[in-house]
Amino acid sequence: KAGVTQTPRYLIKTRGQQVTLSCSPISGHRSVSWYQQTPGQGLQFLFEYFSETQRNKGNFPGRFSGRQFSNSRSEMNVSTLELGDSALYLCASSIQGGTEAFFGQGTRLTVV
Amino acid sequence: GQQVMQIPQYQHVQEGEDFTTYCNSSTTLSNIQWYKQRPGGHPVFLIQLVKSGEVKKQKRLTFQFGEAKKNSSLHITATQTTDVGTYFCAYHSGGYQKVTFGTGTKLQVIP
Repeated sequence: KAGVTQTPRYLIKTRGQQVTLSCSPISGHRSVSWYQQTPGQGLQFLFEYFSETQRNKGNFPGRFSGRQFSNSRSEMNVSTLELGDSALYLCASSIQGGTEAFFGQGTRLTVV
Repeated sequence: GQQVMQIPQYQHVQEGEDFTTYCNSSTTLSNIQWYKQRPGGHPVFLIQLVKSGEVKKQKRLTFQFGEAKKNSSLHITATQTTDVGTYFCAYHSGGYQKVTFGTGTKLQVIP
């Protein structure tokens, strides 16, 4: 079956702009979580959605938001981009919380 | 939240040598997961341990969860170039898919 799909794979944005990233989970998976990966901070949890509800949120500013649709697809939005937002954004899906997480290839965001 | 540290941060080994990475938490963990991320790739789930003192093997990989459930280790026997990548330990919080990752150990295998 198809894996987790993230689009776009690469993105270049200017400071102050906003960006929306998309994640399509594995069919049947209802939990989608997002992570930010940078060389300095490593892999950090952003938030998790389950059945269209945000269940958990990491320690990120309110500029980072997300949502999940009824088909479990999820989007993540970052407003007023800063240079420090440049990172690999990874989404992971699982059948339910606390089980094996399957990661997508990620979206590489560069803010200039 | 709980901090999970991994050592070493980097490791270079000659192909055929063994490799071990250690994961340490300041508090008791209910579970430990291990992921591997190849260069330019995404994390791939390897295994989950939940019991005190649990040991699991996957071919050349041996995973262990400490008796106090505060530490874990991943040992690779006779490394191969395909083992190159960063190995992360992680734990998930309760029933939620919030995974907290360790700092990672980057393994380089010299042919």
